[in-house]
Amino acid sequence: GIQVEQSPPDLILQEGANSTLRCNFSDSVNNLQWFHQNPWGQLINLFYIPSGTKQNGRLSATTVATERYSLLYISSSQTTDSGVYFCAVPEETSGSRLTFGEGTQLTVNP
Amino acid sequence: DSGVTQTPKHLITATGQRVTLRCSPRSGDLSVYWYQQSLDQGLQFLIQYYNGEERAKGNILERFSAQQFPDLHSELNLSSLELGDSALYFCASSVVSMNTEAFFGQGTRLTVV
Repeated sequence: GIQVEQSPPDLILQEGANSTLRCNFSDSVNNLQWFHQNPWGQLINLFYIPSGTKQNGRLSATTVATERYSLLYISSSQTTDSGVYFCAVPEETSGSRLTFGEGTQLTVNP
Repeated sequence: DSGVTQTPKHLITATGQRVTLRCSPRSGDLSVYWYQQSLDQGLQFLIQYYNGEERAKGNILERFSAQQFPDLHSELNLSSLELGDSALYFCASSVVSMNTEAFFGQGTRLTVV
């Protein structure tokens, strides 16, 4: 099956700093999603981004499908950004499941 | 709010017992997916239903079963529970497949004691 790797595994920032999270995947994909799992465990949709660049407030994401990677940018980080960030891609062309990376654990200190 | 509703939010039960987790998908979504998130396993796909029929299976134990009803809500049944079944169980839904955007419920935190 498809392999998804995220880096870095852990990231500690001071409030106000910027960061870039990376997601590499091993095969061609039809879409890619970024999620934020907050400290209460809830999985929140950030981006649905098969290709190109999208922005939502302080967050933006870029997927370069031909090179099999996606980047999530967080600018002017806030303590509420803390949590785990996952990227996920469909397993096969049938899209029967999402395969998740191991996540990036982000801690933003005040 | 993702539009996917899971109940209950928390569940504490004893080993050997059976529990049922419930999921209502987003309006208009025909596919429902179940995932398990354990501390040391990450997010693992269990099973997918599409419009009432099983579509795909992942690493789902034989002690676990699921179904999707005509109103499209789904239930995940976990039986003969073991301590290792303690985890966060997520339901997700999408229009048809994971080639369209999927949304996750808040999860059910199961603790087996």
